[in-house]
Amino acid sequence: DAKTTQPPSMDCAEGRAANLPCNHSTISGNEYVYWYRQIHSQGPQYIIHGLKNNETNEMASLIITEDRKSSTLILPHATLRDTAVYYCIVRAPYNTDKLIFGTGTRLQVFP
Amino acid sequence: EAQVTQNPRYLITVTGKKLTVTCSQNMNHEYMSWYRQDPGLGLRQIYYSMNVEVTDKGDVPEGYKVSRKEKRNFPLILESPSPNQTSLYFCASSFLQGSTIYFGEGSWLTVV
Repeated sequence: DAKTTQPPSMDCAEGRAANLPCNHSTISGNEYVYWYRQIHSQGPQYIIHGLKNNETNEMASLIITEDRKSSTLILPHATLRDTAVYYCIVRAPYNTDKLIFGTGTRLQVFP
Repeated sequence: EAQVTQNPRYLITVTGKKLTVTCSQNMNHEYMSWYRQDPGLGLRQIYYSMNVEVTDKGDVPEGYKVSRKEKRNFPLILESPSPNQTSLYFCASSFLQGSTIYFGEGSWLTVV
């Protein structure tokens, strides 16, 4: 099963872009990369996911390297409400469906 | 509104007293899963289900049982709870591979 590694913590100034990296060097060709965040002990909130191409939605952008061994979640204009733990998740192939959570990055957005 | 509903949200129970945490989703999802979250350990998958009557172990299945008799429900059963099962539990559901995964709001369980 693919594993992910993330830095334990990061800081970001309010209004600036937050770039959160994730390594998934053992990812296989049909596994997706998901990003979730968790504010306090609430249920994890979906942010974005992708397979090979870069993706963008109203919350964030996801940049996946060409070899797919790493990715970066970009919050373009971080706000105080973006302070949370961000999880990079690799979704295992069909029929052995497992969500493997990374260690998570605690993002602190400061004024 | 699309949602995953867990009950109870908070529970204190005693060692050995069987309990069930229910999970229900209203999105007709095939996949459902249970996770536990402990300080410093992140979220770990307990069991998952690909569809009705299809379940499989996750990473930490010991001490838990699940069933999937209906598509919308995926209860987590603790036959004989122990203090080391004190944790925050999350239920999740989704359609096929590549789709958004929805999480419930969590169930705080304390076993004394």
